[in-house]
Parts: sequence; structure tokens; C-alpha cells
Amino acid sequence: AQKVTQAQTEISVVEKEDVTLDCVYETRDTTYYLFWYKQPPSGELVFLIRRNSFDEQNEISGRYSWNFQKSTSSFNFTITASQVVDSAVYFCALSWYNDYKLSFGAGTTVTVRA
Amino acid sequence: DAGVTQSPTHLIKTRGQQVTLRCSPKSGHDTVSWYQQALGQGPQFIFQYYEEEERQRGNFPDRFSGHQFPNYSSELNVNALLLGDSALYLCASSLAWAGETSPLHFGNGTRLTVT
Repeated sequence: AQKVTQAQTEISVVEKEDVTLDCVYETRDTTYYLFWYKQPPSGELVFLIRRNSFDEQNEISGRYSWNFQKSTSSFNFTITASQVVDSAVYFCALSWYNDYKLSFGAGTTVTVRA
Repeated sequence: DAGVTQSPTHLIKTRGQQVTLRCSPKSGHDTVSWYQQALGQGPQFIFQYYEEEERQRGNFPDRFSGHQFPNYSSELNVNALLLGDSALYLCASSLAWAGETSPLHFGNGTRLTVT
């Protein structure tokens, strides 16, 4: 079965703290793509990052960074020095080679308090 | 640069009725996907349209149907509405040439309430 699990339902932090969101996935495919999306209260899902299964290099983009580990099927996402505007629901998602649908996790609600 | 636009924003229908939701893709995009997001859950894939045809379908009954027009805009139709169809319906657009790696651009969604 191909599945995305986000075990954390809600995370609450104070501004400027770092936030790490966990994502574990299951897939039998060797070629797949992992995504993180953010959904603010307005409802629109905003694309944040994408990673291919054959590229485990971890990167930092501004205040965002991610840790992709195929050995543990995890694709964790970190927000450094969180801000109130980061408050949203964050979704991890998975798609497969030659398959156009995204399979989303249940989401993690992040609340950043001033 | 116009993003993905959806209409209406909110809709209230009665069980058994039919509903049509509309979506205009981001400028330059040619592929439209529809997702259903129940409260507190992640979006679930309904189907994707490309070149005016349904290219892929998720695990949704035939009551859910769609259409794509020559200008790439799309409609989602749901017949014989059930209470369980109450959800946020999200439209997403992308570029066909980029394939399955193309990040989806989502609209703000249509909130459907079935009473």
C-alpha cells in the first residue's frame, strides 16, 4: 500500500522557535516524488518543496529545510525561527512515476504564538 | 499573473440535489485536477483532466463527473448529493509537459455543505 503518515496532529510553538514536522511514507515504487504543502486559513494549498526519490541531498531554502532519508522512508520538514505567519496546516504528499495524483497525509496544524 | 480561481466560494445544497463547481487554471497551465478535502483531513484525489479528457481517476463513485473546456477551464459535477459529500473541493492546475513532478497550483476551494 502507498500511504503518507503525519503522526503529529498539532504543534504549538512560540515565535522564533524551530518547528520540525514529521512525515513517513510507504511505497513499493523505486521512483517517486515527495512534496510539502502549506494550507493557511484561506484554504489555498501552497507548494513549498519537492524531492525526487533518487536525490537524497538535503537542502535549506531560506527558513525551510528538509531531511529526506530513504532508509527510514521519512521526509521531515523544518521551519527555522518560526514566525506568526507560519501558522497553517502543513501537508506531506507523495506521487509516483507516471501517476498524476498526489496522496496527502492528514496534515499537521502549526500554531506560532507571538 | 492570475492564479487558480474557483467559483462559487461557498455553496449549500440539499441531499439528492446536483451541484456544479467551476475552476479556471493558472495562466499558461493546461491540466486541471480536482481534490476533495473533508474537515480535518488531507485532500483526496478525485480526477485529472488534460486535453478535455479524464486522464486519471481516484476512488470516487460515478456520481462525480467532470469536464474540461477548450480554454482549459473545468467543471466538477456531483449528482445525488449525500451528507458525506460536504467538504472543501479544491481545484489544482499544472503543466502537462512537466509530468508527475509538476507542482500543483491550488485555488482557494469551494466549501460545499449538504443538508
